Amino acid sequence: NAGVTQTPKFQVLKTGQSMTLQCAQDMNHEYMSWYRQDPGMGLRLIHYSVGAGITDQGEVPNGYNVSRSTTEDFPLRLLSAAPSQTSVYFCASSYRIGGEATKETQYFGPGTRLLVL
Amino acid sequence: AQTVTQSQPEMSVQEAETVTLSCTYDTSENNYYLFWYKQPPSRQMILVIRQEAYKQQNATENRFSVNFQKAAKSFSLKISDSQLGDTAMYFCAFMITNTGNQFYFGTGTSLTVIP
Repeated sequence: NAGVTQTPKFQVLKTGQSMTLQCAQDMNHEYMSWYRQDPGMGLRLIHYSVGAGITDQGEVPNGYNVSRSTTEDFPLRLLSAAPSQTSVYFCASSYRIGGEATKETQYFGPGTRLLVL
Repeated sequence: AQTVTQSQPEMSVQEAETVTLSCTYDTSENNYYLFWYKQPPSRQMILVIRQEAYKQQNATENRFSVNFQKAAKSFSLKISDSQLGDTAMYFCAFMITNTGNQFYFGTGTSLTVIP
């Protein structure tokens, strides 16, 4: 299994540009999430999905869109990049609690470092 | 509101010694799980240990153990026989299970193991 994969690893954008951060998992996890990590802030939830076709907002959703057309993929779209979105973005996936009792945790991708100028 | 507090931004420990990282949390939920994640300079998030809130017994994983005090909403991590490879940022987190497996993270403790 490749686990959770994210592309690109690093991206530089200009203010106002749009882009999509890709996330894929091959573990057949129902739940997927996007987090951003800023210095001194820990990880904060942007959006999450409990299955294909179902998404919901997390703690800091403004400026981001998501969709979940398949179980495997959960892309994060920046509509109009702003310097405040400079951050490291992590995608994560997990089983539904109770689906497999030994796997109540999230598996994280390697992260995408985004710089908005 | 769900919050996680790690009051020690930085800590250091001598190699082979023991260190304890503190974490407190606040939630009104009854069903949740607690975690410690390690983030080395590579930025990969690595699960260290997991605790089910409904279990009274403290979780252990080799050199890592927790002291879970549910009434006090405290979840500290003890690292025994510290090794140089333990140098990393450590995040405390909890997950509520009512929907979406939402995780809430603390701000992290940077641990340095000194040779």
